[in-house]
Amino acid sequence: EVQLVESGGDLVQPGGSLRLSCAASGFTVSSTSMAWVRQAPGKGLEWVSIFYTEGDTKYADSVRGRFTISRDNSKNTLFLQMESLRAEDTAIYFCAREAMIASGQFFDIWGRGTPVTVSS
Amino acid sequence: SYVLTQPPSVSVAPGNTATIACGGNNLGSKSVHWYQQRPGQAPIVVIYYDTDRPSGIPERFSGSNSGNTATLTISRVEAGDEADYYCQVWDSVSDVYAFGTGTKVTVL
Repeated sequence: EVQLVESGGDLVQPGGSLRLSCAASGFTVSSTSMAWVRQAPGKGLEWVSIFYTEGDTKYADSVRGRFTISRDNSKNTLFLQMESLRAEDTAIYFCAREAMIASGQFFDIWGRGTPVTVSS
Repeated sequence: SYVLTQPPSVSVAPGNTATIACGGNNLGSKSVHWYQQRPGQAPIVVIYYDTDRPSGIPERFSGSNSGNTATLTISRVEAGDEADYYCQVWDSVSDVYAFGTGTKVTVL
């Protein structure tokens, strides 16, 4: 079964750091592009970052310079290292697979999400 | 960044048709994808590349895209269709994956 399971979400103080993980099963993360999407409480979806198949990475303006996306092929896992966290980073963080058809550009598999709360 | 605008809410009686608009500059030149998100759950894609439907998604869901507006249409609405719906595109100019503001569909 194709599945994504996120972990690592927690309560952290402003300025703190956190590392999220996304374990994949049923496919290999190195064979496709993988992304993080977040959803603040009561708000809509916001794309955060993507790790392309070939190794390139992209970030939303709101997190560039603070967040780092990476991938461990041996563990079949995607990561998101978050630094200098702010209250506005509070959200459910979803891991998502970019569809492996045609030109992709949409997300066909999603995890259940992991909650991150930034508060003192 | 690329902005996609949706109406905050749509209400529809069971058996009727729900139409959800998604507006963006020259949207017809891009591929639009639609997600359904039920409360407390992850999003699932219901329409991709403007009009394609994944296996397992009922034929009642359809999409179109032209000019500055894309549309998700849900025919013969059922209680189980009550959810938030988001449009999404990849914008090559700003190199971002943009989501719409979201529309809450309420089945009366």
